Amino acid sequence: GQNIDQPTEMTATEGAIVQINCTYQTSGFNGLFWYQQHAGEAPTFLSYNVLDGLEEKGRFSSFLSRSKGYSYLLLKELQMKDSASYLCAVRGGGDYKLSFGAGTTVTVRA
Amino acid sequence: DARVTQTPRHKVTEMGQEVTMRCQPILGHNTVFWYRQTMMQGLELLAYFRNRAPLDDSGMPKDRFSAEMPDATLATLKIQPSEPRDSAVYFCASGLVGQGENTIYFGEGSWLTVV
Repeated sequence: GQNIDQPTEMTATEGAIVQINCTYQTSGFNGLFWYQQHAGEAPTFLSYNVLDGLEEKGRFSSFLSRSKGYSYLLLKELQMKDSASYLCAVRGGGDYKLSFGAGTTVTVRA
Repeated sequence: DARVTQTPRHKVTEMGQEVTMRCQPILGHNTVFWYRQTMMQGLELLAYFRNRAPLDDSGMPKDRFSAEMPDATLATLKIQPSEPRDSAVYFCASGLVGQGENTIYFGEGSWLTVV
């Protein structure tokens, strides 16, 4: 299986930047995903990395280093609506299933 | 706007009753997942199907849970008999996996309470 670790909680101020780290251990790595989940709602897709490097998508960027088993999600120009849980998920083991970390709850304060 | 559809959205049932949750994946998607989410355990994979064939149900308690995909437009998750510890949100997700696009989309979930 996959071991996926991410911080439990983070707090930041509106307009600031927050970086959520994720470390993982898996065999047969085949992609890393970030999802956003607001309380009481379903997870929604944010980003996908399969090669090393940075993927930028508006205010959100995701970075991957396969050799280090490490990824981060960068949230810039934080808004109140960004308060949510951010889930790191890894596809590995030679199949198509997605294993999720416990999630990082980000609280944005005015 | 294509989306994964789940029913029921909310279900309260008594211990010992049978519960069936249904999922309509996005048309054309070849992989369907069932996840369970609780505060304590987070998102756990229960089972998944590729091209309607079950690939992995190792995360599912076999004595009371069963998952099937009778056709390409319907996946079901059944609990019989239900127990209070089954109270959770059950998410269905689908994706076109292994063919370029890798995004997996979640339904809105079935919120189950067993009393």
